[in-house]
Amino acid sequence: NSKVIQTPRYLVKGQGQKAKMRCIPEKGHPVVFWYQQNKNNEFKFLINFQNQEVLQQIDMTEKRFSAECPSNSPCSLEIQSSEAGDSALYLCASRRDWGGDAEQFFGPGTRLTVL
Amino acid sequence: QQKVQQSPESLIVPEGGMASLNCTSSDRNVDYFWWYRQHSGKSPKMLMSIFSNGEKEEGRFTVHLNKASLHTSLHIRDSQPSDSALYLCAASDSGYNKLTFGKGTVLLVSP
Repeated sequence: NSKVIQTPRYLVKGQGQKAKMRCIPEKGHPVVFWYQQNKNNEFKFLINFQNQEVLQQIDMTEKRFSAECPSNSPCSLEIQSSEAGDSALYLCASRRDWGGDAEQFFGPGTRLTVL
Repeated sequence: QQKVQQSPESLIVPEGGMASLNCTSSDRNVDYFWWYRQHSGKSPKMLMSIFSNGEKEEGRFTVHLNKASLHTSLHIRDSQPSDSALYLCAASDSGYNKLTFGKGTVLLVSP
């Protein structure tokens, strides 16, 4: 069973508000991914980290989204100014290394609703 | 355009029957295929992975991969109502290893 912890489980924001969610990766997993799953079950990769370093992120993340994985603190994903289209399930996943065959373990997700 | 295509979109099989799900990637850089299962309201859980040509079996689940055509399939025999879920196929390359998911197949196993 995955031991990735995500908080909060549910988040409700008004348009233009900040929305922040956190992720504690599984112990010993230095690699963290954030994905967005919309209501049509479409997944979108947002950003990934190895330890504190950003390795890859999409354009959307570079504009309104910010993320970090500080040492000895939970990773976080923050939307600076929420839009209705941001309503989705935000999933954090961690893995033990960069080996291509290493499984990604998902947390329970944060369900964001933007009113 | 979706780089990982799954079919069918939905599938109904009787309890005890065989479910067959398909997945094809259009990205020639893909090296790894993953099958995840997501029950309603839950997060995806990895079912099986396959990285080389051929077949792999674990219990009631069998996965096939043809790397030349970048096609993988998942077969569930003796399907149970608890198998009813969204089945997601994902592909990744040797680079940053992000997963590219298909839109999934909704499987309903009728008692």
